[in-house]
Amino acid sequence: EAGVVQSPRYKIIEKKQPVAFWCNPISGHNTLYWYLQNLGQGPELLIRYENEEAVDDSQLPKDRFSAERLKGVDSTLKIQPAELGDSAVYLCASSPRTGGTDTQYFGPGTRLTVL
Amino acid sequence: GESVGLHLPTLSVQEGDNSIINCAYSNSASDYFIWYKQESGKGPQFIIDIRSNMDKRQGQRVTVLLNKTVKHLSLQIAATQPGDSAVYFCAEKKEGGKLIFGQGTELSVKP
Repeated sequence: EAGVVQSPRYKIIEKKQPVAFWCNPISGHNTLYWYLQNLGQGPELLIRYENEEAVDDSQLPKDRFSAERLKGVDSTLKIQPAELGDSAVYLCASSPRTGGTDTQYFGPGTRLTVL
Repeated sequence: GESVGLHLPTLSVQEGDNSIINCAYSNSASDYFIWYKQESGKGPQFIIDIRSNMDKRQGQRVTVLLNKTVKHLSLQIAATQPGDSAVYFCAEKKEGGKLIFGQGTELSVKP
């Protein structure tokens, strides 16, 4: 069974440019998470989807970050415009059911470098 | 605020020895903890979890101990192997599935 797929794996952009990350969760998984991981730190939740609904986006900086999961499967996370401090690894995770009780399976992440 | 943290950022052990990685938490109401392993270039991988109604849980070569009195948990890895080299995170799972991660301990296994 394929795991969580993320693309691109690496992205280098200049500040003030837009950037988008894509995530394909494990087939059949209803809950999808986006996490931000700074160097040497643990991941921090940005947003959680149950099917196509964003049920927790309290940690998402909405002035520059946006996310969508239109059909309840794939998801994209966008930053516009990117700032130097956005350099980090962006992780996507999924779990089978809604409610948050299941194990979360993480993708390999997208490493973003903002110059 | 609430926090989950690890005692040591790095740990070096000899292959075949046992490893112990520690973690402290601040909220006495916390009731579900998970240990994750993260290898370079990969996302965190679930290792083992424990609920607050347990003191100990064992998996394959891993044991998690929970001491609610001092708000401390530990991950013990038996007969540590080179493949165990990674960063280990303890995390608290909160309502809705939100994970609060600690900062991580990097385990290095010397051959």
